[in-house]
Amino acid sequence: AQTVTQSQPEMSVQEAETVTLSCTYDTSESDYYLFWYKQPPSRQMILVIRQEAYKQQNATENRFSVNFQKAAKSFSLKISDSQLGDAAMYFCAYRSAYYGGSQGNLIFGKGTKLSVKP
Amino acid sequence: GAVVSQHPSWVICKSGTSVKIECRSLDFQATTMFWYRQFPKQSLMLMATSNEGSKATYEQGVEKDKFLINHASLTLSTLTVTSAHPEDSSFYICSARGLALSTDTQYFGPGTRLTVL
Repeated sequence: AQTVTQSQPEMSVQEAETVTLSCTYDTSESDYYLFWYKQPPSRQMILVIRQEAYKQQNATENRFSVNFQKAAKSFSLKISDSQLGDAAMYFCAYRSAYYGGSQGNLIFGKGTKLSVKP
Repeated sequence: GAVVSQHPSWVICKSGTSVKIECRSLDFQATTMFWYRQFPKQSLMLMATSNEGSKATYEQGVEKDKFLINHASLTLSTLTVTSAHPEDSSFYICSARGLALSTDTQYFGPGTRLTVL
């Protein structure tokens, strides 16, 4: 079974600085997707960024970028120029590319709570 | 695009009553919908997966007779908590994955906070 591990329960960053959130995963599959979701105090889950495992190029979305190391099974999220609105819980998630009994559901890590200091 | 709504956003009910939560995809057809449960300061726990017109697939440990899921159309799935008890109090979130969208991405509803007295 696949697992997702976020080893940092809490992180803090100064406004305008850069922070990196860690995520590792375990799988025997070769084709899959990885995601970072943000959950602010409103508790609405918001997709931040996604990565296809078959793509070597790291995904980027404005101030958010990932460092995807497939061999190491690592998928970290870098937030540049941090803003107060970035404060939230961040969840790393894995999804198999193969449809089966799970029908491609997401497997979440336990989350990292990010605080942004003004 | 890709908006998912949930109704109600919060509900308080008495122990023993049943509560229905609706999940709607507003601007796309959702072939698959997922129901999650989230306890305070914890991650999302998948309860069940439903495909339109089919019976839901429940995760191990989730009582299918207690958490009834219906996915009657491509834009609507409902979760009914039957004979609710205080231990069912939680935050319930649905997500949807649909036709004509990137099939690898789930879009989430805003969640429903259930409190059972």
